[in-house]
Amino acid sequence: EPEVTQTPSHQVTQMGQEVILRCVPISNHLYFYWYRQILGQKVEFLVSFYNNEISEKSEIFDDQFSVERPDGSNFTLKIRSTKLEDSAMYFCASKGPGETQYFGPGTRLLVL
Amino acid sequence: KNQVEQSPQSLIILEGKNCTLQCNYTVSPFSNLRWYKQDTGRGPVSLTIMTFSENTKSNGRYTATLDADTKQSSLHITASQLSDSASYICVVSANSGGYQKVTFGTGTKLQVIP
Repeated sequence: EPEVTQTPSHQVTQMGQEVILRCVPISNHLYFYWYRQILGQKVEFLVSFYNNEISEKSEIFDDQFSVERPDGSNFTLKIRSTKLEDSAMYFCASKGPGETQYFGPGTRLLVL
Repeated sequence: KNQVEQSPQSLIILEGKNCTLQCNYTVSPFSNLRWYKQDTGRGPVSLTIMTFSENTKSNGRYTATLDADTKQSSLHITASQLSDSASYICVVSANSGGYQKVTFGTGTKLQVIP
């Protein structure tokens, strides 16, 4: 069964450094999403992406965040200058023509 | 403000027993409601999705109900198994200018014990 994959599974970085989280959505899906989950808290929506542009973003998704679909398979989330409070699990999801979003296994980001 | 409240926060049940998890929402205009199962440290996995016109939907031992008038949903798990131990998250989507706004509940942490 096709699934969403994410790399790396874990990333440790220093405050102020840039990180890029990578996602490979399910191949025929056209809608892509990033979510984050701070430890012990609920999942929060960051951004949705369709037709090579951002279709929706939350107040969390400020200027330090950006998303890109650099080729036909990858979907990336870049955090330009990480802060301690960016430490969280980051989930990518993709959606086809139906309503169900399929989530990846997540990248656990730790900012020191 | 769109909100999704779930109860109970946590629940412990014996293997083989049934349980029901609750979700109340104040999301408008309502598009759909989904229940996800999330194992610790993993991504959420979709269990059911319901639109406004659907009252009930089953997926194996999981049965979700939706009352769009009272803005309540429940997830009933029948004959629980140890592998059902996870967080169950209610997610409600609203249509906003052609896009979907997604609001996650805080989840119910279920532990099934032998």
